[in-house]
Amino acid sequence: QQQVKQSPQSLIVQKGGISIINCAYENTAFDYFPWYQQFPGKGPALLIAIRPDVSEKKEGRFTISFNKSAKQFSLHIMDSQPGDSATYFCAASMGTGANNLFFGTGTRLTVIP
Amino acid sequence: KAGVTQTPRYLIKTRGQQVTLSCSPISGHRSVSWYQQTPGQGLQFLFEYFSETQRNKGNFPGRFSGRQFSNSRSEMNVSTLELGDSALYLCASRPIDRGVSTEAFFGQGTRLTVV
Repeated sequence: QQQVKQSPQSLIVQKGGISIINCAYENTAFDYFPWYQQFPGKGPALLIAIRPDVSEKKEGRFTISFNKSAKQFSLHIMDSQPGDSATYFCAASMGTGANNLFFGTGTRLTVIP
Repeated sequence: KAGVTQTPRYLIKTRGQQVTLSCSPISGHRSVSWYQQTPGQGLQFLFEYFSETQRNKGNFPGRFSGRQFSNSRSEMNVSTLELGDSALYLCASRPIDRGVSTEAFFGQGTRLTVV
């Protein structure tokens, strides 16, 4: 079954607006939660990542909010730009041993000028 | 530092054939993982190699196999290709730090089409 659930499947945002993508997980052994950005024809590139000991992490226009008790985390893109148009994937992995990434199903973001 | 390099970028094969894909990780990275990306199933983990040993394996049939060499370069092989194997195959490399999850760097992938 899908270990990480992501929504929405697609998102259209006006330039300058805020894009919000949500993810939820069940496995409490997960301890690393990255977000990846993927452009057509390219491999996923790490955008920002968080560990469960903090509730928020900000890097430039990108912020991860993390709610450990609800087992949810989200990506906020402030001041969204047309260049942000891409597919975004949330993921999760465990720290020791099996640290392969479990990916969400992806969100296709379109930022309209 | 050079990124993760995957070759070839594109490949067309016929059903029943076998294929070998190659991945060169970032210098100094000893862990190499392989993922399959399809529109229907998304990104799914195939296997991970570390120090020439398979450490972890996803839920794929035995037709999918891999190996890692002493220089950390990795290959994955798919035998008896099926139409459903058409996908983007991604390789990711990671440094290993006491087993703690760390950033995975992905290559551009090999687009495999099975006809």
